[in-house]
Amino acid sequence: GENVEQHPSTLSVQEGDSAVIKCTYSDSASNYFPWYKQELGKGPQLIIDIRSNVGEKKDQRIAVTLNKTAKHFSLHITETQPEDSAVYFCAAVSGSARQLTFGSGTQLTVLP
Amino acid sequence: KAGVTQTPRYLIKTRGQQVTLSCSPISGHRSVSWYQQTPGQGLQFLFEYFSETQRNKGNFPGRFSGRQFSNSRSEMNVSTLELGDSALYLCASSLVGTGYDEQFFGPGTRLTVL
Repeated sequence: GENVEQHPSTLSVQEGDSAVIKCTYSDSASNYFPWYKQELGKGPQLIIDIRSNVGEKKDQRIAVTLNKTAKHFSLHITETQPEDSAVYFCAAVSGSARQLTFGSGTQLTVLP
Repeated sequence: KAGVTQTPRYLIKTRGQQVTLSCSPISGHRSVSWYQQTPGQGLQFLFEYFSETQRNKGNFPGRFSGRQFSNSRSEMNVSTLELGDSALYLCASSLVGTGYDEQFFGPGTRLTVL
């Protein structure tokens, strides 16, 4: 089955700096890659996603890049703000499995 | 539109007991998935229901089961509880559950097994 690795497990940045979280996946059939943000006491919430026919997608301060050849994808957050502090999860979906396989999560802390 | 609701929010049980957790999906969503979240194993897929049928299942023992009702509400049951079952159990709903349609998560049920 699919295996998703996520790094780093913790990340601290100064407010206004950029943050990058990286994930690799194992199943070459995976073709959908969502990113979720989980705040304390809440369930994960989708923040951005990318499909395998696209190399990059941007939505205001967040962007995701995908390298299918290397089987890795990354989340980029620019101009970080304290409210960006949360746990971020990457995930992958393969057409056959039709289920989300999550990475282990990254605790992002934005320092004021 | 109301979000996904899960009840109860917190549960404390002892080993050997059984527990039932409930999930009400967003109105119009027909797919409900369940996940177990622990610090050690992260977010792991339990199973997915669509139109009252289990369509997909993760690698969990048979003690974990679920069902879905005609109104799309879902329940999951864990029998013969073990200490390792302590976790946050998350329910997510989506329109049709292809894997590509957005999954909306509830706040979870925190289960503690003593």
